[in-house]
Amino acid sequence: KNQVEQSPQSLIILEGKNCTLQCNYTVSPFSNLRWYKQDTGRGPVSLTIMTFSENTKSNGRYTATLDADTKQSSLHITASQLSDSASYICVSENSGGSNYKLTFGKGTLLTVNP
Amino acid sequence: DAGVIQSPRHEVTEMGQEVTLRCKPISGHNSLFWYRQTMMRGLELLIYFNNNVPIDDSGMPEDRFSAKMPNASFSTLKIQPSEPRDSAVYFCASSKWGSGANVLTFGAGSRLTVL
Repeated sequence: KNQVEQSPQSLIILEGKNCTLQCNYTVSPFSNLRWYKQDTGRGPVSLTIMTFSENTKSNGRYTATLDADTKQSSLHITASQLSDSASYICVSENSGGSNYKLTFGKGTLLTVNP
Repeated sequence: DAGVIQSPRHEVTEMGQEVTLRCKPISGHNSLFWYRQTMMRGLELLIYFNNNVPIDDSGMPEDRFSAKMPNASFSTLKIQPSEPRDSAVYFCASSKWGSGANVLTFGAGSRLTVL
């Protein structure tokens, strides 16, 4: 069964600090791994997409890593800002032929306090 | 572009009533997805369309749910009759399938409360 597990469920940090969010996936066949940011009351917004051949990808202060061997990914946020407070969702895509599926994790709720 | 537009943003209804959620995808996108989000289960795919044709509706909970896409610029998700357990946020997303990674753009969601 395709699954995406995220940890921690929630995290509180002070503004300016760094943090790392974790994602483990069991998806087959694996196509790519995505991180989405979801602000309260809004839809998810794509941050990064990585295929199995990519180890790291950055988007501003966000850096995602992928280890396709261990099926783990992380999202590192540098110099956090209040606007980083949101839910971060890890998503794994598997696709092949007519089969297409995104498997979503339940997200990590990040709160950045001043 | 105004992005994916969903309506209504909020809907409160009584059990047994019909609910219709609407979605206008991004112009030029050829795939449309309906998701449901709850605290317990996170985001779940209900159904998706390619070129207005339903491809996978295995996530539709039961016959009370139905979705249509009569043209490339409009889709509806209907629940009839609604039940309290249908209370959730329903998201529509669209993408341009076939242009590399299938990046979904989500709407702001429709929050449904069934009393």
